[in-house]
Amino acid sequence: QLHLQASGPGLVKPSETLSLTCSVSGGSISTTDYYWAWMRQPPGKGLEWIGSIYYSGSTYYNPSLDSRVTISEDTSKNQFSLRLSFVTAADTAVYYCARGSMIRGVNGAFDIWGQGTTVTVSA
Amino acid sequence: SSELTQDPAVSVALGQTVRISCQGDSLRNYYTSWYQQRPGQAPVLVIYGKNNRPSGIPDRFSGSSSGNTASLTITGTQAEDEADYYCNSRDSSGNHWVFGGGTKLTVL
Repeated sequence: QLHLQASGPGLVKPSETLSLTCSVSGGSISTTDYYWAWMRQPPGKGLEWIGSIYYSGSTYYNPSLDSRVTISEDTSKNQFSLRLSFVTAADTAVYYCARGSMIRGVNGAFDIWGQGTTVTVSA
Repeated sequence: SSELTQDPAVSVALGQTVRISCQGDSLRNYYTSWYQQRPGQAPVLVIYGKNNRPSGIPDRFSGSSSGNTASLTITGTQAEDEADYYCNSRDSSGNHWVFGGGTKLTVL
């Protein structure tokens, strides 16, 4: 059973860089069948896709965050990570990591999600 | 356009059928996924592709699509179906994803 666990500092100061890691257990991130993604949800608001990373190493980011976001992977640790620079209070949210499926017929849906980690941006 | 539009709130009587809709230009070209999110919990995939349910999702959940509108239908709604529901699809580029604003389902 695949399990995703997001972790990182719960408090980040404005203008600094938010860094989160998603640890994957029960399966390898090095697979062409799946890709890996970050989403977030500000308090009381809806879900927002942040970006995705594929087996090839290709990354795609939400255009509204593209200049501040980097998603990377560490296959030796079976983890992938999110860095969001120059954060403001608007970046306060629950951050989720998730698996996207490349399997035929699933059409890229996010089929497994981590439990989420809360990040607050405040001085 | 990269936006997906959902009604903010919908209510349904226990045991009845409810349809939650999602509109967006990209839905003409890409399938829609639907996610259920209960308070304080992570989203859960309930419908993907043409009309497929992951293992463990009850068959009272179904999906459909026509033109620029996708719909999630719950037949015989149960109390535990009360949750927020989000649609999700690719944008026109095909490389980016977008979520609808979410629909809060209340079961009366």
